[in-house]
Amino acid sequence: EPEVTQTPSHQVTQMGQEVILRCVPISNHLYFYWYRQILGQKVEFLVSFYNNEISEKSEIFDDQFSVERPDGSNFTLKIRSTKLEDSAMYFCASSEAAGTAYQFFGPGTRLTVL
Amino acid sequence: KNQVEQSPQSLIILEGKNCTLQCNYTVSPFSNLRWYKQDTGRGPVSLTIMTFSENTKSNGRYTATLDADTKQSSLHITASQLSDSASYICVVTAYNTDKLIFGTGTRLQVFP
Repeated sequence: EPEVTQTPSHQVTQMGQEVILRCVPISNHLYFYWYRQILGQKVEFLVSFYNNEISEKSEIFDDQFSVERPDGSNFTLKIRSTKLEDSAMYFCASSEAAGTAYQFFGPGTRLTVL
Repeated sequence: KNQVEQSPQSLIILEGKNCTLQCNYTVSPFSNLRWYKQDTGRGPVSLTIMTFSENTKSNGRYTATLDADTKQSSLHITASQLSDSASYICVVTAYNTDKLIFGTGTRLQVFP
């Protein structure tokens, strides 16, 4: 069964450093998303991406964040200058359509900022 | 403000028993409501999705109900198994957006 994959599973970085989280969505999906979950809190929407551009973003997704689909398979989230409060689990998701289509989530990348 | 509230926060049941989890939302205009299962340290897995016109949706031992008038949903789990131990999250989407609004989840523990 096709699935969303994410790498790395755990990333440790120093405050102020740049990190890139990588995702490989399900191959025939066209809509891509990033979510984050701070430990003990609920999952929060960050950004949605379709047709090589951001279609929607939350207040969390400020200028420190960017997304890119550098090739036909990868979807990345970059945090330019990490802060302690960026420590969280980051989930990538993909769907084949908008609206009521299922969003399939990856296993997540745990980001720890020291 | 668009919010999704769930109860109870946590629940302990014995294997083989049934249970019902509750969800209330204030998301407007409403588009659809989903239930996800999330194992610790893993990504959420979709169980059901219901639109405004649907009252109930089943997926094996999971049955979700929706009352769009009172803005309430429930997830009923029948004949629980040890593998049902997880967090169950109610997720609502507003009309004209793909942004999922997550509840805080109900942590279910099934004991033998």
